[in-house]
Amino acid sequence: EDKVVQSPLSLVVHEGDTVTLNCSYEVTNFRSLLWYKQEKKAPTFLFMLTSSGIEKKSGRLSSILDKKELFSILNITATQTGDSAIYLCAVNRRGAQKLVFGQGTRLTINP
Amino acid sequence: NAGVTQTPKFQVLKTGQSMTLQCAQDMNHEYMSWYRQDPGMGLRLIHYSVGAGITDQGEVPNGYNVSRSTTEDFPLRLLSAAPSQTSVYFCASSYALGGSSSGELFFGEGSRLTVL
Repeated sequence: EDKVVQSPLSLVVHEGDTVTLNCSYEVTNFRSLLWYKQEKKAPTFLFMLTSSGIEKKSGRLSSILDKKELFSILNITATQTGDSAIYLCAVNRRGAQKLVFGQGTRLTINP
Repeated sequence: NAGVTQTPKFQVLKTGQSMTLQCAQDMNHEYMSWYRQDPGMGLRLIHYSVGAGITDQGEVPNGYNVSRSTTEDFPLRLLSAAPSQTSVYFCASSYALGGSSSGELFFGEGSRLTVL
């Protein structure tokens, strides 16, 4: 059974701090790993990673995948209150028509 | 740009009542799916469809029915609501999963359902 585990489940930091969110997975025939940000309503897409060791970057957010150790991290530098959200990790298996999601990490940035 | 539209946004039901959550997308996506989100459990797949006339079960299909008569619409039916179905429901669509596409899902804004 495919499994995705995120840690920590909840994190509270001060504005300006750097945070690292973790996502580990067990899935056969891995195809891709995706990160989403969920504020009040619908999750919105951040990154998709398919190759190990390649960093995806968008502004203060970056993510890297380790296919050997079966995990990914999402880094956010110089955090702002607008980064407060639930961050979701999901994996896609080759030939499977579905994404399997982790529990999510609830990130709170205090001013 | 409508994207994925879900209705209703909020609904309160009594145990045993039936209802349908509507989902429509205007992006000509072949793939559509329904997830439920409960505290501490992330998103769990209920049913999905890879095209008109084709549906399949996800992780938690019991108590829910779906159909896909058109590319645009993918309604989720609760035939006899139970308190355990109290949740936030998300419809999501994509060009395709498992093929050559990115696998990115586009989500609706969610429907909050309470079953008393």
